[in-house]
Amino acid sequence: GESVGLHLPTLSVQEGDNSIINCAYSNSASDYFIWYKQESGKGPQFIIDIRSNMDKRQGQRVTVLLNKTVKHLSLQIAATQPGDSAVYFCAENRGGSYIPTFGRGTSLIVHP
Amino acid sequence: DVKVTQSSRYLVKRTGEKVFLECVQDMDHENMFWYRQDPGLGLRLIYFSYDVKMKEKGDIPEGYSVSREKKERFSLILESASTNQTSMYLCAGRSGEGPQHFGDGTRLSIL
Repeated sequence: GESVGLHLPTLSVQEGDNSIINCAYSNSASDYFIWYKQESGKGPQFIIDIRSNMDKRQGQRVTVLLNKTVKHLSLQIAATQPGDSAVYFCAENRGGSYIPTFGRGTSLIVHP
Repeated sequence: DVKVTQSSRYLVKRTGEKVFLECVQDMDHENMFWYRQDPGLGLRLIYFSYDVKMKEKGDIPEGYSVSREKKERFSLILESASTNQTSMYLCAGRSGEGPQHFGDGTRLSIL
């Protein structure tokens, strides 16, 4: 079946490093992708999104890259800080659908 | 910015009780969702609503029902709570084709 997955369940980095969190998707009809951050005890928080007509989108310290050829999505966090420690989810959405499909999440641990 | 508020952060109920989880959003948009989140299983959709009085089953609707009498409020109901419904429950709202916005969750324990 179609699914969204993550390559790495846990990623440990040092403060100040750049972090890259990866996500694979298999539904070629998906045209909208979202990254969420979930801190302990809180709900998922929207970080950044990208539509399929784009390859790259930048926010504040974050960049999302979309490679439609290999159905791969990544989230890059520059100069990672301890406050970035959280679980990160990717989600995909088919055009016209109300319901996104979520990946299982990657736990990012930032060591000071 | 969209705000989604869940009425309780923590709830403890007993087996067999009828449980109500409330969610309110401050945006004037149609779509609202209820998920449960369990370790190792990720987010699973219970029900969603795309308009007032409209509801659709998600992936795991058994044992649950929902109510959407007003656009801003979406309630999840556990008809007769069971221990396997102990979980984190997350409500979300969505603006058109944009991202979902989540509340901070209700951690429900059924004893």
